[in-house]
Order: sequence, then structure tokens, then C-alpha cells
Amino acid sequence: NAGVTQTPKFRVLKTGQSMTLLCAQDMNHEYMYWYRQDPGMGLRLIHYSVGEGTTAKGEVPDGYNVSRLKKQNFLLGLESAAPSQTSVYFCASSMIRDSRTDTQYFGPGTRLTVL
Amino acid sequence: GDSVTQMEGPVTLSEEAFLTINCTYTATGYPSLFWYVQYPGEGLQLLLKATKADDKGSNKGFEATYRKETTSFHLEKGSVQVSDSAVYFCALRGGGYNKLIFGAGTRLAVHP
Repeated sequence: NAGVTQTPKFRVLKTGQSMTLLCAQDMNHEYMYWYRQDPGMGLRLIHYSVGEGTTAKGEVPDGYNVSRLKKQNFLLGLESAAPSQTSVYFCASSMIRDSRTDTQYFGPGTRLTVL
Repeated sequence: GDSVTQMEGPVTLSEEAFLTINCTYTATGYPSLFWYVQYPGEGLQLLLKATKADDKGSNKGFEATYRKETTSFHLEKGSVQVSDSAVYFCALRGGGYNKLIFGAGTRLAVHP
């Protein structure tokens, strides 16, 4: 099992450019999440998905869109990148929604710089 | 809203020293509590968890006890190693929500 993988690992964009980050998991998990990690702020939830074809907003959704066309994939899109979106992006997945013992499994991250 | 507060880092220790990283939380209801660890260049990994008051989570020599009376979940290890150098995140998961709320993270550096 590869677990949770993210593509690409690094990316540099100019302001106004668009891009898509891909997250894939091979654990048959129902739930998937996108977080951003900024210095001194921990991780903040951008969007999440409770299953194929569904998405929902998290804590900081503005400027991002997501899609979950296949159960194993969760895409994060930036339509018009801004310097404030410079961050490290983590994808995670989990199996069960309501279990108190639910564990989220994280990918290795994508470091995005917007100039 | 729910929140997690961790002690600021970095924490610098010599090998075999005792480690405590403080974590307190604010939440309604009875959240589950977690410690995640992030090694350099990697994603977060679950280190340990506790789901109810007085539960003790443990893994790889690390321990944390869910203290409802003090709303705390402090991470401890009796003898740290250089390989424990990482960033440690305390997190909570509230009832009815399917998201984790993270603290800001505490960087630990262990020197030989």
C-alpha cells in the first residue's frame, strides 16, 4: 500500500496562475481532507469530502475549489493563485466519519510558492 | 469555538532528557484528543490518542493522559533520542464533527 500520495511535491506559481494538486489514497477510505500548514498556525482545514461526488467547505475555503470524482482521488484547485496561498498543503484520508477512534492518514505534502 | 493551545517551541534537549510538551484545549462536549508527529520533510503521523477522560495514550515511549478537569493532554517521554527530533502537534476531534483542530505545533530538537 502506498497510503496517501500527493502530486506534485513542489511548485512555484506566478500570481494569477492556476493549478491543481492531486491527492490519491489506496486504502478505500470514505473521507478525504485538504489542509494548509502555515508557520505558527498548525494545520487548517480547507475542504473535505465525505464520499465520492461530495465536497464541503472547511475552515479556510476561499480561493480554492475541490472535486472528488473518484473515491480514491481528491483534487484541490487554485483558479487564480495569490501570494497568500503560499503554504504547504497536506491531504489526508480516514475511514469512518463518526468513530471516536478515527485516524486520519496524511500525505507527504506539497510545498507551493506563489510569487 | 473549539481550540488547542500548545507550548511554544522550539524545545531543545540533550539525549536521554525528560520531555514534556504542554497541550490544553477548549471544546464543547467530550472530544477525542490526539498527538501527531511530523518528521522533517514528511507528512503528519499519528503518535497516540485518547478518546475519553483519564484514558492514557502511549506509543514509542511517549505518553499522554486525557485530563478533563484541567482540559489538558500533555505529551511526555522519559528519555528522548536524537531520532525524536520533529514537530509535535496536539489536536482534538469534537463530537459530530469530522475534522481535526490542530495546535500550532511544537518543534523538538534533541542533541547528542
